[in-house]
Amino acid sequence: GNSVTQMEGPVTLSEEAFLTINCTYTATGYPSLFWYVQYPGEGLQLLLKATKADDKGSNKGFEATYRKETTSFHLEKGSVQVSDSAVYFCALHANQAGTALIFGKGTTLSVSS
Amino acid sequence: DGGITQSPKYLFRKEGQNVTLSCEQNLNHDAMYWYRQDPGQGLRLIYYSQIVNDFQKGDIAEGYSVSREKKESFPLTVTSAQKNPTAFYLCASSMLAGGSGEQFFGPGTRLTVL
Repeated sequence: GNSVTQMEGPVTLSEEAFLTINCTYTATGYPSLFWYVQYPGEGLQLLLKATKADDKGSNKGFEATYRKETTSFHLEKGSVQVSDSAVYFCALHANQAGTALIFGKGTTLSVSS
Repeated sequence: DGGITQSPKYLFRKEGQNVTLSCEQNLNHDAMYWYRQDPGQGLRLIYYSQIVNDFQKGDIAEGYSVSREKKESFPLTVTSAQKNPTAFYLCASSMLAGGSGEQFFGPGTRLTVL
């Protein structure tokens, strides 16, 4: 079946450090891929997405490239800020109408000044 | 503003009581979803609905019930049969077709059983 695996946290960084959160997936066909962010006590917000191989999603300095050959969608940011501290979820959609997203377990990022 | 609302934000209940969590959306989405979130476990799907008056069980439906009488509304009832109901509950919605599967989430309800 379809699944998402992301690196376990917590990830602890200093401000302005480089961030990578790894995400790999297993899916049949051609899924769409997403990164969501959750700030403390809130719901999830879409951070970025990619719908086909080699697409790069980007938003707020974050980037992720859909790599079909390595079944990966790693999240990167060149210089993190304290305000980026949150939980990040990688997710896939199998592109079948009405099916739910499949989420990874989430990675907690903590950035200190 | 279009979006999803969940109420209440915090909910307390005594053991043995049923409780209903509200979820409303004005995005004109056909599909709606309920997830449960526990620390370190990510999101687990409870129920989802693609159209009015129809819904399907997710991965952890035992002890929960839902209804979908209106397109805009998808309330979740946590019954006394749910053995460990204390958790953060998230409602989401999405287009049924024509989109990339992107889901929009509400702010969540934190349920605590006393």
